[in-house]
Amino acid sequence: GIQVEQSPPDLILQEGANSTLRCNFSDSVNNLQWFHQNPWGQLINLFYIPSGTKQNGRLSATTVATERYSLLYISSSQTTDSGVYFCAVGQAGTALIFGKGTTLSVSS
Amino acid sequence: ETGVTQTPRHLVMGMTNKKSLKCEQHLGHNAMYWYKQSAKKPLELMFVYSLEERVENNSVPSRFSPECPNSSHLFLHLHTLQPEDSALYLCASSQRNSGNTIYFGEGSWLTVV
Repeated sequence: GIQVEQSPPDLILQEGANSTLRCNFSDSVNNLQWFHQNPWGQLINLFYIPSGTKQNGRLSATTVATERYSLLYISSSQTTDSGVYFCAVGQAGTALIFGKGTTLSVSS
Repeated sequence: ETGVTQTPRHLVMGMTNKKSLKCEQHLGHNAMYWYKQSAKKPLELMFVYSLEERVENNSVPSRFSPECPNSSHLFLHLHTLQPEDSALYLCASSQRNSGNTIYFGEGSWLTVV
């Protein structure tokens, strides 16, 4: 099956800093999503981005499908950005496979 | 509010108990999923239902029994669980084969004592 690797596994930031999270995957996909899991366990959809670039406020994401990676950018981080960020990928007709996540801690 | 509702949010059960987790989606999707998230592990896909038929079963022990009575409801029946089954169980739904996003419920925290 497809392998999904996320880096870094842990990230500690001061409020206001920028960060880049990376997701590498081992095969071609037609579905890639980024999620944020809050401390209560809720998985929040951030982006559906099998290719290209999208932006939503302080967050943006880029997927280079031909090179099998995706990047999530967080600018001007806030304490509420803390949590675990997951990348998940899938092929046609298959369920999403999740990476192990990046745990982000933002301190004030 | 993602349109996917799970109950109960928290459940403590003994190893000899029988309980069920419930999931309901209000998004008109045709596929529903159960994922398991244990401490320090990535989300693991357990079951996939598409148009009320089970299409994936990732070698899940028989003490977990899913049921999908219609496209909006999904259950996970639990019996004779082990302490290592304690985890966060997440339900999700999507419009399968159309590339749309998958939406998760808030999860059910299960503790087996």
